[in-house]
Amino acid sequence: SQTIHQWPATLVQPVGSPLSLECTVEGTSNPNLYWYRQAAGRGLQLLFYSVGIGQISSEVPQNLSASRPQDRQFILSSKKLLLSDSGFYLCASGLAGGRETQYFGPGTRLLVL
Amino acid sequence: QKEVEQDPGPLSVPEGAIVSLNCTYSNSAFQYFMWYRQYSRKGPELLMYTYSSGNKEDGRFTAQVDKSSKYISLFIRDSQPSDSATYLCAMIQTGANNLFFGTGTRLTVIP
Repeated sequence: SQTIHQWPATLVQPVGSPLSLECTVEGTSNPNLYWYRQAAGRGLQLLFYSVGIGQISSEVPQNLSASRPQDRQFILSSKKLLLSDSGFYLCASGLAGGRETQYFGPGTRLLVL
Repeated sequence: QKEVEQDPGPLSVPEGAIVSLNCTYSNSAFQYFMWYRQYSRKGPELLMYTYSSGNKEDGRFTAQVDKSSKYISLFIRDSQPSDSATYLCAMIQTGANNLFFGTGTRLTVIP
């Protein structure tokens, strides 16, 4: 089965600072990769997904961007954080078409002050 | 109307009770259905994964899918305090890339 690594686990950043969250995947190749945000007490909001290296689809307009420099590496970035960027960020890996479900990483808790 | 609807709870039950968690959906093209369990401050972990209609059992957990009613359920038998978590339903249609999630039901099992 797949293993998803995310770091850091917790991050406190001032408003206006940059952000880089990294996700790496083991145990699979050519996965679809996903970034979700989960606000306190709310469901999962899909931010970005990628079906291959350099291929990024954005689901919602926002202050964030994503990149996939390698097959099993997915990065979430921001040039200037906003207070509203606070939340729990989850990386997930899966195969297209429901052939395999999505597996989630442990998440990064981001607090923007 | 949301693609997937899930009662957010919270739901509190005594230890040993049978728990029923449910989701409804509107897209008849959904073919794969999942239940995830998420402990506080952790990533969701997959509990059950089913294809199309029918039942699937795994230990104390049973997943049911009724495509005619667009309704899925997760039953937990002999509930334990360790089952206390948020349960998320999710679904996807064949050939698609994205899962659609419910908002999650928060369950507390009281010893």
